[in-house]
Amino acid sequence: GENVEQHPSTLSVQEGDSAVIKCTYSDSASNYFPWYKQELGKRPQLIIDIRSNVGEKKDQRIAVTLNKTAKHFSLHITETQPEDSAVYFCAASNVAVASNTGKLIFGQGTTLQVKP
Amino acid sequence: GAGVSQSPSNKVTEKGKDVELRCDPISGHTALYWYRQSLGQGLEFLIYFQGNSAPDKSGLPSDRFSAERTGGSVSTLTIQRTQQEDSAVYLCASSPRTSGDNEQFFGPGTRLTVL
Repeated sequence: GENVEQHPSTLSVQEGDSAVIKCTYSDSASNYFPWYKQELGKRPQLIIDIRSNVGEKKDQRIAVTLNKTAKHFSLHITETQPEDSAVYFCAASNVAVASNTGKLIFGQGTTLQVKP
Repeated sequence: GAGVSQSPSNKVTEKGKDVELRCDPISGHTALYWYRQSLGQGLEFLIYFQGNSAPDKSGLPSDRFSAERTGGSVSTLTIQRTQQEDSAVYLCASSPRTSGDNEQFFGPGTRLTVL
């Protein structure tokens, strides 16, 4: 069945450094790849997403890259700040409205700690 | 506007009892999803609603789990004869589910503890 693998499971960086989280997916029909940030005890919040017709997308300090051939995508956070500390989840989905449900298949999560 | 809301926020029950979890999606969102998040784990898909229909129930772990949606709005997830392994945070998400917008907005979740 569909599967998303996420690495690393934990990541500790110094404030100001960059952080990279990587995911691979199994379903070649996946065409939508969101990233969610979840702070302790809070709901997941979308931080960035990318569709399969785009190779890279950037929003301020956050960027996502997608390699469809290799079926992997990555989250890049530059100039990390202590408030970036949270659990990050990648997900994959087939969002073609006519024939699919759009359900998200999530990775296992990465706990990011940014040390001041 | 109001986001997705869920109730109760916490539920403690005894093994064998039935529980009902409620989700109020964002008004106008036709798609509604239920996910389960066990301690330290990722989110696991349970069921998808489009309007009041559930075309994908493939994630429900057993026939003790059921869900319904009425009026294209509120959804209820029911777990019968709860077991300790049902303990988790149950998250609901809604989406416009249009060709251009598939973002899923999550509720705060219901933390279920089965003693």
